[in-house]
Amino acid sequence: GDSVTQMEGPVTLSEEAFLTINCTYTATGYPSLFWYVQYPGEGLQLLLKATKADDKGSNKGFEATYRKETTSFHLEKGSVQVSDSAVYFCAHHGNQFYFGTGTSLTVIP
Amino acid sequence: EAGVTQFPSHSVIEKGQTVTLRCDPISGHDNLYWYRRVMGKEIKFLLHFVKESKQDESGMPNNRFLAERTGGTYSTLKVQPAELEDSGVYFCASSQDRPGLRRETQYFGPGTRLLVL
Repeated sequence: GDSVTQMEGPVTLSEEAFLTINCTYTATGYPSLFWYVQYPGEGLQLLLKATKADDKGSNKGFEATYRKETTSFHLEKGSVQVSDSAVYFCAHHGNQFYFGTGTSLTVIP
Repeated sequence: EAGVTQFPSHSVIEKGQTVTLRCDPISGHDNLYWYRRVMGKEIKFLLHFVKESKQDESGMPNNRFLAERTGGTYSTLKVQPAELEDSGVYFCASSQDRPGLRRETQYFGPGTRLLVL
């Protein structure tokens, strides 16, 4: 069945380090792919999305590319900040939303 | 514009008790969704309303869960009687996109943290 598998955390990085959070999916058809972020005490916010193969979603310095051949949508950021500390969820949307387990990121000064 | 709001933010109850969670979607959003995240696991879909009608309730775990959306505005999710395994974070989301649209963007509330002792 449909599912999303993402890198387990927690992840701790120093400020300005490079971030990668891996995400792969299983889906029927060609779903849209999303990254949501949950900052402490807040709801999930859409970070970026891609609706078709080879599309690149980007926002706030984060990027992810829809790779159909590897069924992946890895999240990257070249230089993380303390304010990026949050839980990141990968998701795909076919007939309904399927989320990964979330990856907690802590960025230390 | 106000976002999706949920009440309460936290609830601690004993096994066997009843709890009712409330979600107020963004004004004008016909689609309302409930999700649940059990500790350390993925966020799972529970059900989907279009206005006051249940479009899809395939994710509801069992008949101890009852969701309503009278009048097509706010929604409630009642758990009766609550069990230990019901503990988790319950998220509500709303959207104005056509249901099933793959590019649909859902706007999430902060969640209700439920702990059943």
